[in-house]
Amino acid sequence: NAGVTQTPKFRVLKTGQSMTLLCAQDMNHEYMYWYRQDPGMGLRLIHYSVGEGTTAKGEVPDGYNVSRLKKQNFLLGLESAAPSQTSVYFCASSYSIVVEAFFGQGTRLTVV
Amino acid sequence: DAKTTQPNSMESNEEEPVHLPCNHSTISGTDYIHWYRQLPSQGPEYVIHGLTSNVNNRMASLAIAEDRKSSTLILHRATLRDAAVYYCILREGFQTGANNLFFGTGTRLTVIP
Repeated sequence: NAGVTQTPKFRVLKTGQSMTLLCAQDMNHEYMYWYRQDPGMGLRLIHYSVGEGTTAKGEVPDGYNVSRLKKQNFLLGLESAAPSQTSVYFCASSYSIVVEAFFGQGTRLTVV
Repeated sequence: DAKTTQPNSMESNEEEPVHLPCNHSTISGTDYIHWYRQLPSQGPEYVIHGLTSNVNNRMASLAIAEDRKSSTLILHRATLRDAAVYYCILREGFQTGANNLFFGTGTRLTVIP
């Protein structure tokens, strides 16, 4: 049981490049989330999904897009990376709204 | 979403109990109180959650005030592995969309050997 797996773990992008971060969970969870964490701060919600085929905006959605074509996968895309998107990105999933969420180990993204 | 207030940092000696406080004076009747912790260079990890009654699990205990405006996470015997940032979070107990976990800056716990 792998839990929540994020790919890749590290990435360096040049300004203007695009990339996709993959989050995969093997727990059959309905809810999935993408967060970013900047130095010395808590996590902020980017986008979330309450089920396969659904996505919605969180607190800081600008510059990101997401897709949830399969229940187990939640993709986060950056179409044109900017230095302000340098951050650590965390994916999470949960079975329901009141029980615990499980987090991945994070993706450290640097945009130069 | 209702906000929580936590001290920025706390210290504890190894093998002693630790009481991490959290104030949530604007909590609503349907908000669950969740605690997560984040070890260095790792993703957040669930610790415990509760609604009204005190809760115990293998990791910690959660003491909830009778008026629910505050709570305390109790680590019974701190170990070096417990050094982390601890987040107290309110999560709505009914579906209104994300039911997001709003992370503040948390309490950084330092465990002294």
